[in-house]
Amino acid sequence: QQPVQSPQAVILREGEDAVINCSSSKALYSVHWYRQKHGEAPVFLMILLKGGEQKGHEKISASFNEKKQQSSLYLTASQLSYSGTYFCGTANTGNQFYFGTGTSLTVIP
Amino acid sequence: DTEVTQTPKHLVMGMTNKKSLKCEQHMGHRAMYWYKQKAKKPPELMFVYSYEKLSINESVPSRFSPECPNSSLLNLHLHALQPEDSALYLCASRQRLAGGEQYFGPGTRLTVT
Repeated sequence: QQPVQSPQAVILREGEDAVINCSSSKALYSVHWYRQKHGEAPVFLMILLKGGEQKGHEKISASFNEKKQQSSLYLTASQLSYSGTYFCGTANTGNQFYFGTGTSLTVIP
Repeated sequence: DTEVTQTPKHLVMGMTNKKSLKCEQHMGHRAMYWYKQKAKKPPELMFVYSYEKLSINESVPSRFSPECPNSSLLNLHLHALQPEDSALYLCASRQRLAGGEQYFGPGTRLTVT
């Protein structure tokens, strides 16, 4: 039931862009994106509820293709503060919630 | 107040000990979660409480016993744990049962010796 993310890890230079993909084998009601820094709790980035919906938050945006059961997170003009592990999370209409496999993102000067 | 608090921050316990983890939120959220996270792995869902009733138990061993005394408080009672249970235990709460974001506490770092 765990969504699969790709890539597993990525290293960027400041200012570069990145895309993180999340794919599920089960039908999705919503997709969440979280970022977790080492030793800290996950921090909510955004949630997508409808197929094909795209949301944005400053230089971070995401899309959700409900039919393909996929979501992508787009990071534009990356900053050092973007470093961390990114998780997608999938929820059904109940209370269950499953985190994806995770993508480690490192931004270097 | 959008904070979820967890105590203690760190806990070291022997395999014969009994201890409890505590989680508290005052946002009026009616769904509360326990997750277990091992190093370099995603959080794994353990239990979900909805309106103070246990709604999901992800086949967690009985040495972990959750309790929800009221809508603001969630406990996780630990007994006869194994060294492999050492992990970060995260609590989260959620306003809506479906689709809402989760607010996470800072976690309890548990070491079983």
